[in-house]
Amino acid sequence: NAGVMQNPRHLVRRRGQEARLRCSPMKGHSHVYWYRQLPEEGLKFMVYLQKENIIDESGMPKERFSAEFPKEGPSILRIQQVVRGDSAAYFCASSPRRQGIGDEQFFGPGTRLTVL
Amino acid sequence: SQQGEEDPQALSIQEGENATMNCSYKTSINNLQWYRQNSGRGLVHLILIRSNEREKHSGRLRVTLDTSKKSSSLLITASRAADTASYFCATDEGGNKLVFGAGTILRVKS
Repeated sequence: NAGVMQNPRHLVRRRGQEARLRCSPMKGHSHVYWYRQLPEEGLKFMVYLQKENIIDESGMPKERFSAEFPKEGPSILRIQQVVRGDSAAYFCASSPRRQGIGDEQFFGPGTRLTVL
Repeated sequence: SQQGEEDPQALSIQEGENATMNCSYKTSINNLQWYRQNSGRGLVHLILIRSNEREKHSGRLRVTLDTSKKSSSLLITASRAADTASYFCATDEGGNKLVFGAGTILRVKS
């Protein structure tokens, strides 16, 4: 049973380009979460999605960032017109379902974005 | 806002010793989770403790939760060099999003 998969593992972009990060949740998981980790810091929540729905995007920057989780295919985190401050590790996590008292979230290996 | 705060920030011990890391948080939670992250790698889920639980064990790991003090501790017994990593606590306030602390860097010397 494959874990959460993310690609690419490393991504280099120049300022002003677009970055697309992909996440395939674990089999049977319908909930996806994106987190960002800056160097020497903990992870910060960005967005929580279910299939075709954004449930909570309270951690997403208001501009340039968007996320989707279509009916078919992986979840995509898209960053338009990247700036140096977007350089970070972006982690995706998935969980099977939402319970009243929460589920374990299983994390992918991350995508390390470097903006030149 | 930062919810979980780990203490200490860094811990260096000898192989075979026990390592204790603490986490404090500010609001009511549904559960608290501990993760390990090796340098430059992804997160590995260690243990989840629910708000109605006080203690949980998994192998050499023991986690306690004191909701009255809004704190948790992670104990690693008989540490090994392979336990060297960063350890994060993360709280779930009920919206399914996890709020992570800044982590404790554990170094186990052989």
